[in-house]
Amino acid sequence: DAKTTQPTSMDCAEGRAANLPCNHSTISGNEYVYWYRQIHSQGPQYIIHGLKNNETNEMASLIITEDRKSSTLILPHATLRDTAVYYCIVRVIRDDKIIFGKGTRLHILP
Amino acid sequence: EPEVTQTPSHQVTQMGQEVILRCVPISNHLYFYWYRQILGQKVEFLVSFYNNEISEKSEIFDDQFSVERPDGSNFTLKIRSTKLEDSAMYFCASSERDSTFYGYTFGSGTRLTVV
Repeated sequence: DAKTTQPTSMDCAEGRAANLPCNHSTISGNEYVYWYRQIHSQGPQYIIHGLKNNETNEMASLIITEDRKSSTLILPHATLRDTAVYYCIVRVIRDDKIIFGKGTRLHILP
Repeated sequence: EPEVTQTPSHQVTQMGQEVILRCVPISNHLYFYWYRQILGQKVEFLVSFYNNEISEKSEIFDDQFSVERPDGSNFTLKIRSTKLEDSAMYFCASSERDSTFYGYTFGSGTRLTVV
């Protein structure tokens, strides 16, 4: 079962930063936070992951609270192509699978 | 950028028929996965495969399902006797050696329609 809680849907204006929250209050010390997204019916796409430090790559930034019980994915300048379902996943080290929850449906508005 | 390739993109089959879904993972990846997504539902884990054997499988992956890596490049999912409820998008994924630190790369999927 997914160990995370995400809002069902969110809207964001094009060009603005999209901030997607995730609660993972039962996360354990060896679990990483991963973010994926699924655009329409395409295969899920890896975005970013982190353990306890904030992370940034070319797609997004990941902010993890100090107690690690929640995190926020930030898309700094959202475009219409960022409209997708975003999944926050916690994963045990060396687990052989990813379990997807229902995610957050992000609508980028023109 | 390397891709996971899945064929066919869409397959229609009659109930009771066998189907084989094909995937070509990224060449230096060692971990392979199959997922499915019934229309409007979550992406569900089916099976993981490493070192030529199944490392984990879900309750969905019953005796009707099997996976194989017949050569150095292909990774297949076989459904022996398809049922209407097998209609779904099937996604193949692969990851590098240490899957803790690397994300999975998913293919574009095969839409299976059982009639």
